[in-house]
Amino acid sequence: KAGVTQTPRYLIKTRGQQVTLSCSPISGHRSVSWYQQTPGQGLQFLFEYFSETQRNKGNFPGRFSGRQFSNSRSEMNVSTLELGDSALYLCASSLGGRTVAEAFFGQGTRLTVV
Amino acid sequence: GENVEQHPSTLSVQEGDSAVIKCTYSDSASNYFPWYKQELGKRPQLIIDIRSNVGEKKDQRIAVTLNKTAKHFSLHITETQPEDSAVYFCAAKGRAGGYQKVTFGIGTKLQVIP
Repeated sequence: KAGVTQTPRYLIKTRGQQVTLSCSPISGHRSVSWYQQTPGQGLQFLFEYFSETQRNKGNFPGRFSGRQFSNSRSEMNVSTLELGDSALYLCASSLGGRTVAEAFFGQGTRLTVV
Repeated sequence: GENVEQHPSTLSVQEGDSAVIKCTYSDSASNYFPWYKQELGKRPQLIIDIRSNVGEKKDQRIAVTLNKTAKHFSLHITETQPEDSAVYFCAAKGRAGGYQKVTFGIGTKLQVIP
C-alpha cells in the first residue's frame, strides 16, 4: 500500500508569490490534515478536509487555504507569501470516520520564502 | 479548543537510562492520545497510542500512561539507545464540532548520549 505522498518536496518562492502544495493520501483514507512545522513551534494545525469539505480549521490567516478532490487528494494554497511562511508543511491522512484512527504523515514539502 | 502542553522541550539522557516525556491536555472529551517520533529529516511516525478507556500500554521498551482525572499522559522509554534520539510529539484527539481533531504538543527533542 502506497504511503502518503506530498509534492513537491522542496520549493523556493519569493515574497508576494503564491504556492500550491499537493498531498495524496493513502488509498481509502478520506481525511487529510495539514500542519505547519517550524523550529520551536512544533506542529501547528492548519485545517482538515474530509469528503471534500473542510471540517476543522486552525488559527492561520486567510492567505492559507485548501481543498480536497473527490479522490481525496488535497491541495493547500498560500497566497501573498511572507518570509515567516518558510516552514515544513506536512499532511497526514486517516480513515476519518467517527472512530479514532491513526494518522499517517507524508514526507512534507519544505517551503523557503526569500 | 484543545490545548496540549508538552515538557521538557529538550532531554538528554545517557544510553541505557530511562526517558520520560509528559503532556497535559485541556479538553476532558479527548479520547485518543498518540505519540509520534520524528527523526531528523524524516516524517513523524506513530510509535504508540492509548485510548481513554486504558490507563497504561506497553510495547517493548516504550510505554504510555494516561491519567484522565488529572488530564495528563506520559511516554516512558526504558534502556534508551542512540537510535531513540529524535523529536517526540504527543497529541490529543477529541471532538471539535462533532468531528475528531488532533492537537499536538510542541515536541521534545531527545538526545541519547552513547
